[in-house]
Amino acid sequence: ETGVTQSPTHLIKTRGQQVTLRCSSQSGHNTVSWYQQALGQGPQFIFQYYREEENGRGNFPPRFSGLQFPNYSSELNVNALELDDSALYLCASSLTATSGANVLTFGAGSRLTVL
Amino acid sequence: DQQVKQNSPSLSVQEGRISILNCDYTNSMFDYFLWYKKYPAEGPTFLISISSIKDKNEDGRFTVFLNKSAKHLSLHIVPSQPGDSAVYFCAASAKVGNQFYFGTGTSLTVIP
Repeated sequence: ETGVTQSPTHLIKTRGQQVTLRCSSQSGHNTVSWYQQALGQGPQFIFQYYREEENGRGNFPPRFSGLQFPNYSSELNVNALELDDSALYLCASSLTATSGANVLTFGAGSRLTVL
Repeated sequence: DQQVKQNSPSLSVQEGRISILNCDYTNSMFDYFLWYKKYPAEGPTFLISISSIKDKNEDGRFTVFLNKSAKHLSLHIVPSQPGDSAVYFCAASAKVGNQFYFGTGTSLTVIP
């Protein structure tokens, strides 16, 4: 059973640029959620994808967008990068879309630095 | 607005003793809670969960207690081992929701 894999592990961008982060979900999981973890903070929910559609969104602006593919893998895209976007981006897959009695399986994250 | 709070950023415990990590929440709609452990350069790993219909759940050395009236939960690790040294996050959700709310984490150091 393969776990959640994310790429790239680290990247550096400059303000105004765009970035794409990728995630392969754990086998058997059909739901992917993305979280942002700023330094010294807990993970914050960005959005969730289920059946290739956005299924819930946290308090993040529209320049954060995503995709889910038929194989349940996912991408997180961030446009017009700002310094505050510097964070660890965590992808998590789960068996179902609703959080009750559900467990998120996290990847190791992509560390984004915006200069 | 932080709906899940872990007020102790760090905790040090001697090997073999009990570690108690605390978590408070404000949203009365939360009815499902999880604890995650995170090592540096790794993603959070699920430890243990509890539903609001219970007040205790045990899994080996790990026990989670839930006090719904106080909106408080705690994770007990007995006995603590050096390999338990990590950052621990509590997370909460509502059953009908689709997102988890995380605390800011408590860094546990178990001293050999």
